[in-house]
Amino acid sequence: EAGVAQSPRYKIIEKRQSVAFWCNPISGHATLYWYQQILGQGPKLLIQFQNNGVVDDSQLPKDRFSAERLKGVDSTLKIQPAKLEDSAVYLCASSLGERPSGTRNEQFFGPGTRLTVL
Amino acid sequence: AQSVTQPDIHITVSEGASLELRCNYSYGATPYLFWYVQSPGQGLQLLLKYFSGDTLVQGIKGFEAEFKRSQSSFNLRKPSVHWSDAAEYFCAVVASGGSYIPTFGRGTSLIVHP
Repeated sequence: EAGVAQSPRYKIIEKRQSVAFWCNPISGHATLYWYQQILGQGPKLLIQFQNNGVVDDSQLPKDRFSAERLKGVDSTLKIQPAKLEDSAVYLCASSLGERPSGTRNEQFFGPGTRLTVL
Repeated sequence: AQSVTQPDIHITVSEGASLELRCNYSYGATPYLFWYVQSPGQGLQLLLKYFSGDTLVQGIKGFEAEFKRSQSSFNLRKPSVHWSDAAEYFCAVVASGGSYIPTFGRGTSLIVHP
């Protein structure tokens, strides 16, 4: 079974530029998550999708970050314009269902995209 | 809101020695608790989880964790560490009621000496 795919793996941009990350979840997984992991910290959830609808985006900086999930499968996360403090690893994860207590609702993580903003 | 504290930034052990990584949480009720491992350049992998029932939870790769309500702790243990266990370990908590947004600790980096 293929895992969660993310691209690119690395991205270096200047501040005020735009950047987009792509995620392809495990086939059949209805729930998709985007996390931001700043160096030395644990991941922080940015947005959670259930199929193509947003379940929670309370921690997404909506003035510069946006995300969409096309047809309930792939997802893109965009930053426009980027700031220095956006330098982080952006992790995508997917699970079969929404509730973590479900027996099959383990989150599977992709390798992440490391963003450096200069 | 829930919070997680991993008090040790780095832990160094010798190969073959036992390991305990500490995790304390703050939440009004019994939360859902998780331990993840992250190797360099990789995503997170779930080691084990606690929802309810038996407070001693067995996971993959020989890890176990014990939920202690009185101490608000969920410490991760392994009786004999292998060099391949060197990685970053994250404890996470999810509120058992309402939103299922996970909160992660800052992580503990495990260094294994030969």
